Amino acid sequence: AQTVTQSQPEMSVQEAETVTLSCTYDTSESDYYLFWYKQPPSRQMILVIRQEAYKQQNATENRFSVNFQKAAKSFSLKISDSQLGDAAMYFCAYRYAGGTSYGKLTFGQGTILTVHP
Amino acid sequence: KAGVTQTPRYLIKTRGQQVTLSCSPISGHRSVSWYQQTPGQGLQFLFEYFSETQRNKGNFPGRFSGRQFSNSRSEMNVSTLELGDSALYLCASHPAEAWDTQYFGPGTRLTVL
Repeated sequence: AQTVTQSQPEMSVQEAETVTLSCTYDTSESDYYLFWYKQPPSRQMILVIRQEAYKQQNATENRFSVNFQKAAKSFSLKISDSQLGDAAMYFCAYRYAGGTSYGKLTFGQGTILTVHP
Repeated sequence: KAGVTQTPRYLIKTRGQQVTLSCSPISGHRSVSWYQQTPGQGLQFLFEYFSETQRNKGNFPGRFSGRQFSNSRSEMNVSTLELGDSALYLCASHPAEAWDTQYFGPGTRLTVL
């Protein structure tokens, strides 16, 4: 079974600084997707960024970028120029690309990010 | 496009009762997945529906069931509620042609007393 591990229960960063959230996963599959979701206090899960395993290039979305190391099964999220609105719980998630995984995301335990003004 | 909607947003029930939660996906999305979020177990996959058929199911007891209608709206039902069923229930919709990205609703907060 696939597992996703986020080893940092809590992280903090100063506004305008950079922070990196860690995620490792375990799978025997070669074709899969990885995601970072943000869950603010409103509890609405918001997609931050996604990465296709077959792509070597790291995904980037504005201030958010990932460091995808397939061999090491590592998928970290870097937030640059942190803003107060970035404060939230961040979840790393895995989805096998094969048909039998229909609609199933496997989530890590989450990392609470605090942004200090 | 309107986002994923879930109703009701909050529910309080007592042990032994049953509950039905509703999820309306983004227009054009044909797949709906359900998740349970608790402080202890985190986010866990319940089941997924596509074109009115359950295609995948997580490791939950048979008290948890669901269905999907022809307009892609989905419901999940929990019978004989237990205290441990208190959780945030999230549904997510995804388009049939891009199954890799799920868009979540705001969730239903269920409290079992």
